[in-house]
Amino acid sequence: GAGVSQSPSNKVTEKGKDVELRCDPISGHTALYWYRQSLGQGLEFLIYFQGNSAPDKSGLPSDRFSAERTGGSVSTLTIQRTQQEDSAVYLCASSVGLAGVDEQYFGPGTRLTVT
Amino acid sequence: TQLLEQSPQFLSIQEGENLTVYCNSSSVFSSLQWYRQEPGEGPVLLVTVVTGGEVKKLKRLTFQFGDARKDSSLHITAAQPGDTGLYLCAGNSGTYKYIFGTGTRLKVLA
Repeated sequence: GAGVSQSPSNKVTEKGKDVELRCDPISGHTALYWYRQSLGQGLEFLIYFQGNSAPDKSGLPSDRFSAERTGGSVSTLTIQRTQQEDSAVYLCASSVGLAGVDEQYFGPGTRLTVT
Repeated sequence: TQLLEQSPQFLSIQEGENLTVYCNSSSVFSSLQWYRQEPGEGPVLLVTVVTGGEVKKLKRLTFQFGDARKDSSLHITAAQPGDTGLYLCAGNSGTYKYIFGTGTRLKVLA
């Protein structure tokens, strides 16, 4: 079956512009995560969605970052007024939502470059 | 703040050698996962360990969870070029939130 897909795969934008990153999770997965990965390092948690519950936005680095998940499926991460420090790979993952022993399935990521 | 430190950061070895990667924290985790990530792709789960002292084997890979559930190790026997990648550990405290380690980049030379 289809895995997690993300688009675009690469995005180059000018400083100050807004960008939208899209994630299509695996069908039936109720949990969805967004992470940021800089320079091939570890993953930084950004936001978590679970079903119809309020999302955990505690990892968003500033109010320029926002995310939504429509209909419990597709999610969009929006970065407003992009800065050079926003350059990174943004990864999306989905899972069935079993706390503690969940297997997260990751998409290939969106590589964002802010010039 | 929970942190997971991995060592070494980088490792370059010859095919056939053995290696061990470490994942350490001062915090206790209810479970710990290991992922491998290849360039241009997302991480892929290798194993989940949940019991202190637990050892799991996956072909040439051996994973161990520390007795106190604060640390873990990944041992690869007779490394092959196909083992090349970024290895990430991720700890969980029984919730949905996973804390990822700093990563170990492994390169196995043929």
